[in-house]
Amino acid sequence: QVQLQQSGPGLVKPSQTLSLTCAISGDSVSSNSAAWNWIRQSPSRGLEWLGRTYYRSKWYNDYAVSVKSRITINPDTSKNQFSLQLNSVTPEDTAVYYCARAGVRREERLQFDYWGQGTLVTVSS
Amino acid sequence: QSVLTQPPSASGTPGQRVTISCSGSSSNIGSNYVYWYQQLPGTAPKLLIYRNNQRPSGVPDRFSGSKSGTSASLAISGLRSEDEADYYCAAWDDSLSGPGVFGGGTKLTVL
Repeated sequence: QVQLQQSGPGLVKPSQTLSLTCAISGDSVSSNSAAWNWIRQSPSRGLEWLGRTYYRSKWYNDYAVSVKSRITINPDTSKNQFSLQLNSVTPEDTAVYYCARAGVRREERLQFDYWGQGTLVTVSS
Repeated sequence: QSVLTQPPSASGTPGQRVTISCSGSSSNIGSNYVYWYQQLPGTAPKLLIYRNNQRPSGVPDRFSGSKSGTSASLAISGLRSEDEADYYCAAWDDSLSGPGVFGGGTKLTVL
């Protein structure tokens, strides 16, 4: 059974960097068939896919256009986890952040079958 | 404003059949698979339908999905009180709007 356990601060100051980690059990961040995603949800923006990382002979990333200039998703093979960094945050980035697993094949890209517990991140001074 | 358009609310009585629509464009629904998620209050979304009309194991066959052109629909038959939740559609988008996009969500109320 796959489990995703999120960790990270719940409060970030404006202009700083939001950092979250998602620890994976029951699967591998280096799996050739899985993609590891970050998704957020806020009352104003609804559900918003942020990006993903996956391994197919080498590491790949895809990012949402809305955050592409500010986001980095990195795998950590030594700890079997992946992370989200979002730079220069504003109150608009206040949301519940989820990590989730999907497939890498075209037909599985948004097939999120396992989710983290969610982390409410508030951007405020 | 979401790339995929859903009605903000829907309702039905127990036993009824309700449908929730999801409207997109040729760059998302028109050329990619549609997924549906159910979200109960305080929980993460749960995969309900994948690849337009496939149900994961454990999802009752009361839930069904369909797609035609640039629109998709989720149908729930034999409505039950526990179906009261928020429902979201999602699709990959090949344009600059994407790549992963969700609908704004539909709150289903069981009267």
